Amino acid sequence: EPEVTQTPSHQVTQMGQEVILRCVPISNHLYFYWYRQILGQKVEFLVSFYNNEISEKSEIFDDQFSVERPDGSNFTLKIRSTKLEDSAMYFCASSTRDGGELFFGEGSRLTVL
Amino acid sequence: QKEVEQDPGPLSVPEGAIVSLNCTYSNSAFQYFMWYRQYSRKGPELLMYTYSSGNKEDGRFTAQVDKSSKYISLFIRDSQPSDSATYLCAMSASSNYQLIWGAGTKLIIKP
Repeated sequence: EPEVTQTPSHQVTQMGQEVILRCVPISNHLYFYWYRQILGQKVEFLVSFYNNEISEKSEIFDDQFSVERPDGSNFTLKIRSTKLEDSAMYFCASSTRDGGELFFGEGSRLTVL
Repeated sequence: QKEVEQDPGPLSVPEGAIVSLNCTYSNSAFQYFMWYRQYSRKGPELLMYTYSSGNKEDGRFTAQVDKSSKYISLFIRDSQPSDSATYLCAMSASSNYQLIWGAGTKLIIKP
């Protein structure tokens, strides 16, 4: 069964460092998303991406965040200068169409020290 | 008032019981309603997806949406220990997919 894959599964970084989280969405999906979940808290929307551009972003998605689809398969989330409060699980999701069912990856756990 | 309210539990029931999980919401514009299951330290897994009101059944799972009451439910029949997980409701008003999530209900099925 096709699935969304994410790497790394866990990354530990020092505050102020840049981090890139990678996602490979399901191959025929066109809409891509990043969500995050701070330990013990709700899942929060970060950004949606379609046709090589951001279609929607939340207040959390400030200038330190960026997304990119560098090739036909990868979808990346870059955090330019990590802060302690960026420690969370970051989930990538994809769907076939706008308003379609979202399929999530297993997440990348980011720990900022 | 929070946009989506969900009792965090934990909800503990014996194996074989019928489980009822619920969310209430305040935004009458919500049209897309989803239930996700999340095992510890794993990504949310879509269980049920419903557009607008009504019921939807898939195996042991039934999702109900009552837009007039702003209330959604997920029923699990013949519950199994493997159903033990956190169940998250999520909803959105439009297809731009800013999903609004409930806090999740932790469900424990005792053998």
